[in-house]
Amino acid sequence: GAGVSQSPSNKVTEKGKDVELRCDPISGHTALYWYRQSLGQGLEFLIYFQGNSAPDKSGLPSDRFSAERTGGSVSTLTIQRTQQEDSAVYLCASSRRAGGTGELFFGEGSRLTVL
Amino acid sequence: GENVEQHPSTLSVQEGDSAVIKCTYSDSASNYFPWYKQELGKGPQLIIDIRSNVGEKKDQRIAVTLNKTAKHFSLHITETQPEDSAVYFCAASPVNRDDKIIFGKGTRLHILP
Repeated sequence: GAGVSQSPSNKVTEKGKDVELRCDPISGHTALYWYRQSLGQGLEFLIYFQGNSAPDKSGLPSDRFSAERTGGSVSTLTIQRTQQEDSAVYLCASSRRAGGTGELFFGEGSRLTVL
Repeated sequence: GENVEQHPSTLSVQEGDSAVIKCTYSDSASNYFPWYKQELGKGPQLIIDIRSNVGEKKDQRIAVTLNKTAKHFSLHITETQPEDSAVYFCAASPVNRDDKIIFGKGTRLHILP
């Protein structure tokens, strides 16, 4: 497709379970970002990738959160032992390059609900 | 690291009136300032941006101003219409190095009929 694709669009899970969220960026975009949007809150930076490497992981809230990107394309955000405070919309965005004039193209997000 | 503050968090204006959203940033290395609009159930979309080599940029009913000395930048929407109702985010980023884009907490704009 032409845009950024995220899956699943909705995920309901029980506290303590692991979840994986997937992002398919726009073809050719080298930069990929993950942001978290809690109810009524702003866009909280989690991590970004330049190619397959993650120069900045400073936004990951805890060691339960990890992300990887393979082949300079698809990225997976994994949350282990989910907690209720992890409930949020997780947004992925891609860009031709990080920072600079890099317009971010966002997906529609994965809404995570932890019961 | 960069910190972006955005005000107000909520703004209601009568249709046809103007709306102004203000942001401040902390990192003097930031020189690219985009604004994103997020409609319900969608991801944010870029609506306008400005770089530090200009003080103002306009695109139809939308304008952005930048004061680098004060580290302030603002979004102005004139002749507001119902479809302007959305959440607006400002952001800051350095152009000359690969770095993340940091967003403000957003402003929910309501256009009243």
